[in-house]
Amino acid sequence: DARVTQTPRHKVTEMGQEVTMRCQPILGHNTVFWYRQTMMQGLELLAYFRNRAPLDDSGMPKDRFSAEMPDATLATLKIQPSEPRDSAVYFCASGRGGTEQYFGPGTRLTVT
Amino acid sequence: AQSVAQPEDQVNVAEGNPLTVKCTYSVSGNPYLFWYVQYPNRGLQFLLKYITGDNLVKGSYGFEAEFNKSQTSFHLKKPSALVSDSALYFCAVRDPPNSGNTPLVFGKGTRLSVIA
Repeated sequence: DARVTQTPRHKVTEMGQEVTMRCQPILGHNTVFWYRQTMMQGLELLAYFRNRAPLDDSGMPKDRFSAEMPDATLATLKIQPSEPRDSAVYFCASGRGGTEQYFGPGTRLTVT
Repeated sequence: AQSVAQPEDQVNVAEGNPLTVKCTYSVSGNPYLFWYVQYPNRGLQFLLKYITGDNLVKGSYGFEAEFNKSQTSFHLKKPSALVSDSALYFCAVRDPPNSGNTPLVFGKGTRLSVIA
């Protein structure tokens, strides 16, 4: 049963600290998405990659967020420095072709 | 720009009764439409999609959705609700891709509560 995996599942950190979230997409999926879920904004796209190349990162605050795909089995989302307003659930999703996207369980981030 | 509206924040239904969760969309061109469900502390699970063809789409767990182009709607339905259907439901849309998978635009979500 192929699944998207994300680590860590939960992260509590202090303001100003660096946070790194990791995602392993489903094998064979060439497109990876990062979404963020908050009560106020709902689900919003942060960035996405196809064949490891970034296609759109316009949803990310560029001064503090960065997203990369070091290889086809790993996507990372980094926040440096973190702020309380970054507290949210971060989802990774993967897909291929015109099919549906499959979501990971999410990383719940709390910045104090 | 694409957008999705889910006009109801909350839908309450008695177990065994039919349920409907509403969704309307706005896109340029032909849409790809999706429904996802989110259980507490879980990721989103794919329920069903409309790409083309028959306007009535059947999906997982007995859910179905009806695509109505003239009303730009894609309402989620189930003939008989279960308590275990209680969850947060998201409607989503994306443009037909020229090639490959493209980002989803989500509605705000509708919380479904099925009462025994």
